[in-house]
Amino acid sequence: QKEVEQNSGPLSVPEGAIASLNCTYSDRGSQSFFWYRQYSGKSPELIMSIYSNGDKEDGRFTAQLNKASQYVSLLIRDSQPSDSATYLCAVVASGTYKYIFGTGTRLKVLA
Amino acid sequence: DGGITQSPKYLFRKEGQNVTLSCEQNLNHDAMYWYRQDPGQGLRLIYYSQIVNDFQKGDIAEGYSVSREKKESFPLTVTSAQKNPTAFYLCASSPGPHQPQHFGDGTRLSIL
Repeated sequence: QKEVEQNSGPLSVPEGAIASLNCTYSDRGSQSFFWYRQYSGKSPELIMSIYSNGDKEDGRFTAQLNKASQYVSLLIRDSQPSDSATYLCAVVASGTYKYIFGTGTRLKVLA
Repeated sequence: DGGITQSPKYLFRKEGQNVTLSCEQNLNHDAMYWYRQDPGQGLRLIYYSQIVNDFQKGDIAEGYSVSREKKESFPLTVTSAQKNPTAFYLCASSPGPHQPQHFGDGTRLSIL
């Protein structure tokens, strides 16, 4: 069973701080990785996609991928109360069309 | 505007009844997916379809059925065999296996 693991949290950070969210995966052949944000009662919305080792930055968000260690992380700089949500990590299982989701990390940004 | 439309937003099922959740997309995506989300849980894959007239079971397909007669449409039927159907159901699509998924707004299903 291919798995994606996330700490469920809640992760609490003060406003303006950096929030660091982590995800590990078991399928060594996976090539595509995604971070989604989900507000309570709403559907997930894409934040970042990453395919190569290293960092990818988009505004206040940076995704980091390390395939050798099988982890992907998301950094949120200058965290705002509006960033308070559950963050889902998704990995495409190798050789398939299946996206495997972690259970999500709940982030609370304290004003 | 391109997107994924799920209907209805809320649905109530009586004992022994089958209900169908609608999912339509105008993004011209080949692949479509159905997920179930229970409170405080991640997304669990029910069924997915890579192309028209073809679909595969996901991790929790028992008690559910789907069809893919048109590229734009991927309806999900929750049958009476699904004994615990209360959940948030999400439909998604993607252009291909390494592209991000786009989600509809979801259907919340409850038992009467």
